[in-house]
Amino acid sequence: EDQVTQSPEALRLQEGESSSLNCSYTVSGLRGLFWYRQDPGKGPEFLFTLYSAGEEKEKERLKATLTKKESFLHITAPKPEDSATYLCAVQLNTGGFKTIFGAGTRLFVKA
Amino acid sequence: GAGVSQTPSNKVTEKGKYVELRCDPISGHTALYWYRQSLGQGPEFLIYFQGTGAADDSGLPNDRFFAVRPEGSVSTLKIQRTERGDSAVYLCASSPQTGDTEAFFGQGTRLTVV
Repeated sequence: EDQVTQSPEALRLQEGESSSLNCSYTVSGLRGLFWYRQDPGKGPEFLFTLYSAGEEKEKERLKATLTKKESFLHITAPKPEDSATYLCAVQLNTGGFKTIFGAGTRLFVKA
Repeated sequence: GAGVSQTPSNKVTEKGKYVELRCDPISGHTALYWYRQSLGQGPEFLIYFQGTGAADDSGLPNDRFFAVRPEGSVSTLKIQRTERGDSAVYLCASSPQTGDTEAFFGQGTRLTVV
């Protein structure tokens, strides 16, 4: 069964305290892996797409990496405005364009 | 408008009633997706349109759910004989073309079935 699991469910950091979020996946075939940010009451906001193991992408304080079984979202020196839910999603390459999301990691950054 | 627009933003309906949820994608985007998100969960894929046709409807939970996109732009998600378990936020997303993986989401329609 295709599955995406994110950990931890919630993460509380002090401002400036770097950490990583994990997304592990078991899927029949990977077209791409996405990271999204979601603020309360809003739709997800696209951050990154990764296509192959070893690929890395960066945007401000965020860096996403990909291996054959998991992806990490590294947050360097976070600020309170980074507080949000971070969602990982995998798009399958099995003929359609089905995308499977994880349940997300709720990040709280305290000043 | 610059973004994906969904209407209504909130919908309360009685069990057994029929509802329609509307999505206006970003102008020119040919790919359109519908998702359902329950509290504390990630979005759950329902259906994907490429132009006017449903390219992948494998996520629709049962035959009470149906979606159309007759002119390749606006899409409507239709739910018949609503049940309390249908209560969720229904999200729509669009992207410029087939295979594009960056999807732009609307703010969703919160459906409550009482």
